Amino acid sequence: EPEVTQTPSHQVTQMGQEVILRCVPISNHLYFYWYRQILGQKVEFLVSFYNNEISEKSEIFDDQFSVERPDGSNFTLKIRSTKLEDSAMYFCASSEPFDNEQFFGPGTRLTVL
Amino acid sequence: AQSVTQLDSHVSVSEGTPVLLRCNYSSSYSPSLFWYVQHPNKGLQLLLKYTSAATLVKGINGFEAEFKKSETSFHLTKPSAHMSDAAEYFCVRLSGTYKYIFGTGTRLKVLA
Repeated sequence: EPEVTQTPSHQVTQMGQEVILRCVPISNHLYFYWYRQILGQKVEFLVSFYNNEISEKSEIFDDQFSVERPDGSNFTLKIRSTKLEDSAMYFCASSEPFDNEQFFGPGTRLTVL
Repeated sequence: AQSVTQLDSHVSVSEGTPVLLRCNYSSSYSPSLFWYVQHPNKGLQLLLKYTSAATLVKGINGFEAEFKKSETSFHLTKPSAHMSDAAEYFCVRLSGTYKYIFGTGTRLKVLA
């Protein structure tokens, strides 16, 4: 069964460093999403992406964040200068056109020291 | 603001007994609602979804949920818990076209 994959499973970085989290969505899906879950808190929407542009973003998704679909298969989330409070589990998801069911990856745990 | 509330952060049941995980939503209309499950070190897996068709929704692994507009609820049930059901369960609503809003999650423990 097709699934969303994410790499790495765990990323440790120093405050101020740039990180790129990678996702491979399901191949025929056209909508892509990033969510995050800070330890002990709710899963929160960050951004949705369609047709090579952001469809919607939350107030969390500030100028430090960016998303890209660099090669037609990967979908990346870049955090330009990480802060301690960016430590969280980051989930990628994808969905088919006209279907509101999102398929999630296993997540990347980001630890900022 | 649109939201979902999961009333219990932890639920413990004995194997073979019924499961009830509670979810209420805030809205003046009938939203699209979902239940997802997360097993340790796994992604979020869809259990079932309500999209304004039948109010009783059947999902995978014997789970079902009933949409009750009068109570703004979408509780998840299973007649008989299995050890493999131990996981975290999330009630989710669709906001607009693309955005999921998650509840805080309920961790289900199944006792032998």
